[in-house]
Amino acid sequence: SAVISQKPSRDICQRGTSLTIQCQVDSQVTMMFWYRQQPGQSLTLIATANQGSEATYESGFVIDKFPISRPNLTFSTLTVSNMSPEDSSIYLCSVEDWASGLYNEQFFGPGTRLTVL
Amino acid sequence: DAKTTQPPSMDCAEGRAANLPCNHSTISGNEYVYWYRQIHSQGPQYIIHGLKNNETNEMASLIITEDRKSSTLILPHATLRDTAVYYCIVRVPDSGYALNFGKGTSLLVTP
Repeated sequence: SAVISQKPSRDICQRGTSLTIQCQVDSQVTMMFWYRQQPGQSLTLIATANQGSEATYESGFVIDKFPISRPNLTFSTLTVSNMSPEDSSIYLCSVEDWASGLYNEQFFGPGTRLTVL
Repeated sequence: DAKTTQPPSMDCAEGRAANLPCNHSTISGNEYVYWYRQIHSQGPQYIIHGLKNNETNEMASLIITEDRKSSTLILPHATLRDTAVYYCIVRVPDSGYALNFGKGTSLLVTP
């Protein structure tokens, strides 16, 4: 299994500012994903981040608002830019490693709880 | 990925079996059925997955109908710690695609 940590675990930010969320994995993984979970809602995929290539964004999410970096196989960042109260959500990263694929399962980080005032 | 339908909520008494249904009538031949759960304030956790045979692990059992259009996740002896939102997802493994989370079933286990 993969152990994932996220920093920060929570933050309260002012509108118009930006926050960078870090996702660290204890092993090298192929696929990394970023999700958003708005209050009381299910998870929505923001983008897929693969090392060595640009992130692939889902409909409704754009790189200018949610820039993503994936500098190596164990780390990724998601930035929430020019924040508004509507960005208040839990942001989660997840990973899938085809090489180990015993269960083909995805592992999730604990999430970053963001509140924008 | 095929769409899934789950009841929005269910209750279960502690110590009893919790049977969570899922409909996936448009599932294709190469799609597996996956179950995840999300305990409050935590990231989702993998439970079990299967293609067409029934599966069992230390957490749960998965029963898939012969036509593969529906399945049931069984928690044999539910505990209070099993209170969570349970998501049924169908996908092709190793496809490179993320999980498509529906609304899930909110399971409340009561004393």
